[in-house]
Amino acid sequence: DAGVIQSPRHEVTEMGQEVTLRCKPISGHNSLFWYRQTMMRGLELLIYFNNNVPIDDSGMPEDRFSAKMPNASFSTLKIQPSEPRDSAVYFCASSYRDGHTDTQYFGPGTRLTVL
Amino acid sequence: GDSVTQMEGPVTLSEEACLTINCTYTATGYPSLFWYVQYPGEGLQLLLKATKADDKGSNKGFEATYRKETTSFHLEKGSVQVSDSAVYFCALSDGFQKLVFGTGTRLLVSP
Repeated sequence: DAGVIQSPRHEVTEMGQEVTLRCKPISGHNSLFWYRQTMMRGLELLIYFNNNVPIDDSGMPEDRFSAKMPNASFSTLKIQPSEPRDSAVYFCASSYRDGHTDTQYFGPGTRLTVL
Repeated sequence: GDSVTQMEGPVTLSEEACLTINCTYTATGYPSLFWYVQYPGEGLQLLLKATKADDKGSNKGFEATYRKETTSFHLEKGSVQVSDSAVYFCALSDGFQKLVFGTGTRLLVSP
């Protein structure tokens, strides 16, 4: 059974460019989460969706960041324009929300470097 | 707000030594507690969890007990292996899906 799939695994771009990170959640899961991991700030929740609807985007750093989930099997996190301080590992996670404690399953991450 | 505090790393042990990684939490409600493990170059994997006070989570020889009176969820293993070298994250969920993570503790096990 495939886990959470993220692409690309590595992205190197120049400041000012647009970056799009992609995520395919586990089939059947109805919640999706985007996290950012840095040495300085650790793991931060950026945004999460339930049934494709954004529920909480309070962790999104600023307007340069946007996330979409057009259907149950795909989500994107876009940074436009990118800045060097956006360099981090971005994780996508998914879970099945059934009213009990949800276990989040993480993808392998996208390592983003903005020069 | 809710928070998780973990012991600073790295924790360096020899193979077959005993492991304890301390984790304490602050929460207003009755959170569920988790330990996740991150191996180099990989995403986080759920190691174990506990959903109510006095529950014990266990997996792969690791254990942690939800202690409400001390607001703790310490991770323990009786005999570590080199393959256990990784970063371990303690986390809580307030029931509204959001996970709050600790800063992570790196474990290094030498042969």
